[in-house]
Parts: sequence; structure tokens; C-alpha cells
Amino acid sequence: GQSLEQPSEVTAVEGAIVQINCTYQTSGFYGLSWYQQHDGGAPTFLSYNGLDGLEETGRFSSFLSRSDSYGYLLLQELQMKDSASYFCAVRVKNYGQNFVFGPGTRLSVLP
Amino acid sequence: GAVVSQHPSWVICKSGTSVKIECRSLDFQATTMFWYRQFPKQSLMLMATSNEGSKATYEQGVEKDKFLINHASLTLSTLTVTSAHPEDSSFYICSARGGRESTYNEQFFGPGTRLTVL
Repeated sequence: GQSLEQPSEVTAVEGAIVQINCTYQTSGFYGLSWYQQHDGGAPTFLSYNGLDGLEETGRFSSFLSRSDSYGYLLLQELQMKDSASYFCAVRVKNYGQNFVFGPGTRLSVLP
Repeated sequence: GAVVSQHPSWVICKSGTSVKIECRSLDFQATTMFWYRQFPKQSLMLMATSNEGSKATYEQGVEKDKFLINHASLTLSTLTVTSAHPEDSSFYICSARGGRESTYNEQFFGPGTRLTVL
């Protein structure tokens, strides 16, 4: 089976840096994705790591260590609009090569 | 980026009726579509994976006779909730993935459909 763990909640202030961790146990691992979801909205893709290391996209960066079954999403220069839920998702090798989503981390950015 | 639409965005129905939700990829061909349900403040739970022209593959615990999925074309998948009951009330979200390897790592999500069964 597959299982992922994330902190349930994180709180930070505007302008700060926050790191959201994700650990996973899975068979047939392909890669790790991160999605952002605002209340009432659909998830939107942030990043994907297929190989170890850091991927940077603007204010957001994502890291993967396959040997540690661990990854994180780093958000810099936090803005109020970054308040949302963040999900890590593991892409698995199976019939559909689908993604298994973590429980999500609710980020609250305070002024 | 690729756009996925869902219709309707919300629906209220009586217990025992059936509801059909459409998911369309507007500007790309989706070889694979996924259907999820999400309860408030919870994660996305994959219900089924469908590939165009073949039967959907359901996740364990999802009743295939209750949640009928049809992926008749590369741009359209439908989910029909048959004989809906109040416990089926949820947020249903579809996602689509293209066939090219360059897009394989990303799912494009529809806006979701909020189903309320009275």
C-alpha cells in the first residue's frame, strides 16, 4: 500500500519562509508532486520531483530525497494569498500511474 | 496551461436519483482521467482511473455499479452517481493527464462538482 505523512497545520507571517515536509511509504515510486488548493477550489499543480534534489519555481521550491523517502515544499516571501492547503502526491508505478495524495497541510499566513 | 472543465459545478438532488458529472479537457487530449472525491478538510481520495476506450479501474472500496464512469473520447469522461444517498454528498473532482511524457507528471484538475443529496 501507499502512505504519506504531512503536518496538518502550519502558521507563518507574511514575508517569512516556511517548509512543509512530506514522508512517504510506497511501492513503485516514480516521483513526488505538490499541489495547492484554496478553500472551495480545485488543486493546482506546483511542482514535480522525479530525481533527487531541489527544483525551484519562483517563490516555491521542492526537494526530494528518494533514499530517505522524503520531500519538502519551501515557500519563500510568503503572501496572504498563499494561505491554502498543500498536498504532496506520490506518482506510483501501477496500471494508471496515478497519484496518491497526502493528507494535506493547511498553511495560514498572518499579516 | 491545460484546461479541464467540469459540469455541473454544483448539484442538489433527492435521494434515490442519479446524477451525471461531466469532465472535459478543453485544449488537449486526455489519455487518462481520474475521479476523486473530497470530504471537507480532507485529502483527495482517488475513486477510479479511466483510459479512453477502456473500462475504468476502480480503487478498493469504490462500488463500480454505483459510480459509473465512461471515458468515451479523449476529451470527455463522465461519472454517474446512481441511486444517490445522503452519504454520497461530497466534492467530486476530475483530473486529466495528457499522453506525452512531458505532461505525464502533471494532472490538470477540473473545478470540482459539489453534490448534495437530500
